[in-house]
Amino acid sequence: AQTVTQSQPEMSVQEAETVTLSCTYDTSENNYYLFWYKQPPSRQMILVIRQEAYKQQNATENRFSVNFQKAAKSFSLKISDSQLGDTAMYFCAFMKQLGATNKLIFGTGTLLAVQP
Amino acid sequence: GAGVSQSPSNKVTEKGKDVELRCDPISGHTALYWYRQRLGQGLEFLIYFQGNSAPDKSGLPSDRFSAERTGGSVSTLTIQRTQQEDSAVYLCASSLGSGLGYTFGSGTRLTVV
Repeated sequence: AQTVTQSQPEMSVQEAETVTLSCTYDTSENNYYLFWYKQPPSRQMILVIRQEAYKQQNATENRFSVNFQKAAKSFSLKISDSQLGDTAMYFCAFMKQLGATNKLIFGTGTLLAVQP
Repeated sequence: GAGVSQSPSNKVTEKGKDVELRCDPISGHTALYWYRQRLGQGLEFLIYFQGNSAPDKSGLPSDRFSAERTGGSVSTLTIQRTQQEDSAVYLCASSLGSGLGYTFGSGTRLTVV
C-alpha cells in the first residue's frame, strides 16, 4: 500500500522569504503522480502543483516549485517570496497512474504560517 | 457549474439521526470522490464514482455510510445513525481523468452532538 509522510506538522516563514515543505512517500509503482494541495481556513482544497513521475524535470508554477527525487521517494515544495496569502495547510498527495480507482492518498499536512 | 458545490456548508445533528450530504460536481467531470477530514488530520478516502462503473466503496468506514450518484452527476453521501466520531468535514471532489488532480468543493462540516 502507498503511504505519504509529511514530517513537519507546522512551519513558519517571514514574508518575502523562501520556505521548503518536506514530503516522502512509499510505493512500489514506477509510474504515478504527485501533488501539493493548499487548504486555507476557507476549507477549499486548491491544487498548487503536480508532478508526473516519469518526468525528470521538476514542476514549477510561478513562486511554487518542487524538488522531485524519485530514487529517494521525496517530493518537497519550495515557496519563494512568501506572501501572507500563502498561510494555509499544505498537503502532499500521491496517485497511481494505473488502477481502477484513481484515488489520491494524502499526507497529514503541514501548517504554514507566513509572518509579516 | 463553475466549481464543485456542496451543501449544506455546516450541519449539526443529534447522535442517532440520519444525515444526507450533497455534492454537485463540475459539469462534464466523470469522476467523483468523497473524502473525510477529521480535525487536524489529512484526508481519508471514502468512495469513488467513475462514469457508469460500479463505485469503489473500499473506504467507507462502516455500513452506516452509503453514497449514490444519480445520472452521473449529483451525489449524496448518507450517514445513518450518526455517532460522535462521525464529526468531521466531508469533502467532495470531481475530476476529468486520472493524473489531472481533483477539484474540491468547500466541504460540509458535520457536528454530531
